[in-house]
Amino acid sequence: SAVISQKPSRDICQRGTSLTIQCQVDSQVTMMFWYRQQPGQSLTLIATANQGSEATYESGFVIDKFPISRPNLTFSTLTVSNMSPEDSSIYLCSVNLLNTEAFFGQGTRLTVV
Amino acid sequence: GQQVMQIPQYQHVQEGEDFTTYCNSSTTLSNIQWYKQRPGGHPVFLIQLVKSGEVKKQKRLTFQFGEAKKNSSLHITATQTTDVGTYFCAGPLLGAGGTSYGKLTFGQGTILTVHP
Repeated sequence: SAVISQKPSRDICQRGTSLTIQCQVDSQVTMMFWYRQQPGQSLTLIATANQGSEATYESGFVIDKFPISRPNLTFSTLTVSNMSPEDSSIYLCSVNLLNTEAFFGQGTRLTVV
Repeated sequence: GQQVMQIPQYQHVQEGEDFTTYCNSSTTLSNIQWYKQRPGGHPVFLIQLVKSGEVKKQKRLTFQFGEAKKNSSLHITATQTTDVGTYFCAGPLLGAGGTSYGKLTFGQGTILTVHP
C-alpha cells in the first residue's frame, strides 16, 4: 500500500493568484498523477508527473496553467496558476502501485473568490 | 475518445434495500476498478476485475465484469447507513501507444444515500 500526505487540505484564494499543492508519498514511485474533481463531478486526470522528465498533460490541460514539479521519487507539486472561480475544485494526487489499485491523497479543496 | 459511463447518477434507498450501479465503457477494458468516496473524503479502492465474466464478492458487495469486458456492475445487498457515498468505476486511460501506465478514466459516479 501507499500513504500519501497532501497539503493544504483546503484553501480559499483570490482570483488571479496561484496556489501550490504538495504531495508526499511514503515510498518511491515512478509516476504520480494529479486529478481534478469539480463540485459534484467525477475525477479527471490533469497530468502525470514523471521523475526526471517533463510532466505529461491530458487534453484540455496545459503546463502554463498547471505547472508540475517532480524533484524526486516521493514528492510532487501541482500549481494552479492565475486562478479564476472556475478552478474551484478538489485536486487529488495519486499513485498506482503495480498498475493495480490507485491510492489518493486526502485532496485539496480549493475555492477561488 | 475513450469514455466510461455510469448510471444512475443518484440513488436514494431505504436502509435494508438493495442498490446497483452500472458502468459501461466505449472500449474494451483490460481491467475495471471500483472506488468508494465518502462525503468529504477521497476515493478508496474497493476492487479490481480482470477476467471476462468475473464475479467477486466482498461481504454484501458483489462486483461483475461483463463477458465483453466493456461493462461492469456493483451490487450492494441490504444497504446500511455506512454504505453512503459515491461509487466510481474506473478503467485504464490509454495513451497513444495503447498503454495506460497507471492512468485511470473514471465514470461519473453514483451518489448513494441511505435513509435509516
